Amino acid sequence: DAGVIQSPRHEVTEMGQEVTLRCKPISGHNSLFWYRQTMMRGLELLIYFNNNVPIDDSGMPEDRFSAKMPNASFSTLKIQPSEPRDSAVYFCASSLEEAYNEQFFGPGTRLTVL
Amino acid sequence: GENVEQHPSTLSVQEGDSAVIKCTYSDSASNYFPWYKQELGKGPQLIIDIRSNVGEKKDQRIAVTLNKTAKHFSLHITETQPEDSAVYFCAASSRGSTLGRLYFGRGTQLTVWP
Repeated sequence: DAGVIQSPRHEVTEMGQEVTLRCKPISGHNSLFWYRQTMMRGLELLIYFNNNVPIDDSGMPEDRFSAKMPNASFSTLKIQPSEPRDSAVYFCASSLEEAYNEQFFGPGTRLTVL
Repeated sequence: GENVEQHPSTLSVQEGDSAVIKCTYSDSASNYFPWYKQELGKGPQLIIDIRSNVGEKKDQRIAVTLNKTAKHFSLHITETQPEDSAVYFCAASSRGSTLGRLYFGRGTQLTVWP
């Protein structure tokens, strides 16, 4: 298995632009998580899905952030419009709920908003 | 929800010495406690976990202990090596009630000096 796949690995954009981050979870996993990591705030859970349904989006910073999971093998995290304070590393992780919740993380997307 | 506290935030040790990282949790329903290691430029990766029906678990140079009464658990690394240098995260969850969500500590930056 290739593990969790994220794209792009690096994204540099200008303030005000739309940014879309993509994630392909491990096949067969039924929970998917989006995290944001910064030095100041550590590892923050933004939103998570179970069986493609959003369960808790209370970590989403504001309305500029949105996430979708149209099917079991794909999810997106969108920021529109982007701001410099959105600069961070964004991780996607997936897990099989029945397997004691071990989460497998992707390599992350490093986002820089100028 | 669950609250996980982790200490220390940074830890420096000499190669060959032991390192101990401690975490506390607040929800008595939590029953799964994984530890993740994050190397520079990578996503966190599970290194060891413990379930609430066990007090201690070992895997070569790493061990975890759990005290359910006091609601704390610890990671012990013996005979540390420079390649152990990384950020370590503890986490807690309640299997079956959180649909796969893990509650993470803030992380400990471990540096092992040769």
